[in-house]
Amino acid sequence: DAGITQSPRHKVTETGTPVTLRCHQTENHRYMYWYRQDPGHGLRLIHYSYGVKDTDKGEVSDGYSVSRSKTEDFLLTLESATSSQTSVYFCAISEFREVYGYTFGSGTRLTVV
Amino acid sequence: QQQVKQSPQSLIVQKGGISIINCAYENTAFDYFPWYQQFPGKGPALLIAIRPDVSEKKEGRFTISFNKSAKQFSLHIMDSQPGDSATYFCAASITGNTPLVFGKGTRLSVIA
Repeated sequence: DAGITQSPRHKVTETGTPVTLRCHQTENHRYMYWYRQDPGHGLRLIHYSYGVKDTDKGEVSDGYSVSRSKTEDFLLTLESATSSQTSVYFCAISEFREVYGYTFGSGTRLTVV
Repeated sequence: QQQVKQSPQSLIVQKGGISIINCAYENTAFDYFPWYQQFPGKGPALLIAIRPDVSEKKEGRFTISFNKSAKQFSLHIMDSQPGDSATYFCAASITGNTPLVFGKGTRLSVIA
């Protein structure tokens, strides 16, 4: 198990407030990803990181920023939360265990009211 | 533009039957095609993966079939069981740790 922990697991926040979600890994993996999952849209990439301070945008990055100041933590910030950002957010790392693949965290369910 | 198109959106299969989920892609540079399984309240988990140098890969009751010329790949679940009821995602990427692009998912229900 890659030891990925997402926090919080659930959050309700008000429109216009900033929100930060945390992804923590314990195995020194270089690549980390943030996806959002919405009904009818599957999993869409928000941002990803390929090392400390090295990040890049994904398909749905507007309204989100990320930071990775140390290998184990990848933070996703909603700068000013909107109702359209109500979603389930998944963090993932990529690793090779017999085959290459992603290991996902358990997700954060975010509701913006 | 949807890079990986997955069908059907939902699927109901009798216990013991074969479940088939299809995916198509456009980017010919894709060279890695995994399938993920997700149970309610959990993150997706890698189920099986294939590269374009083989046309089929089998792991237990799960088989990926790959058609490079048609740019299509599919997941077959043989002898489907109620415990297989989950959402399945196909995905694709270019080797080198480029991010996976996912299909929209298929909700499979296996009924007794």
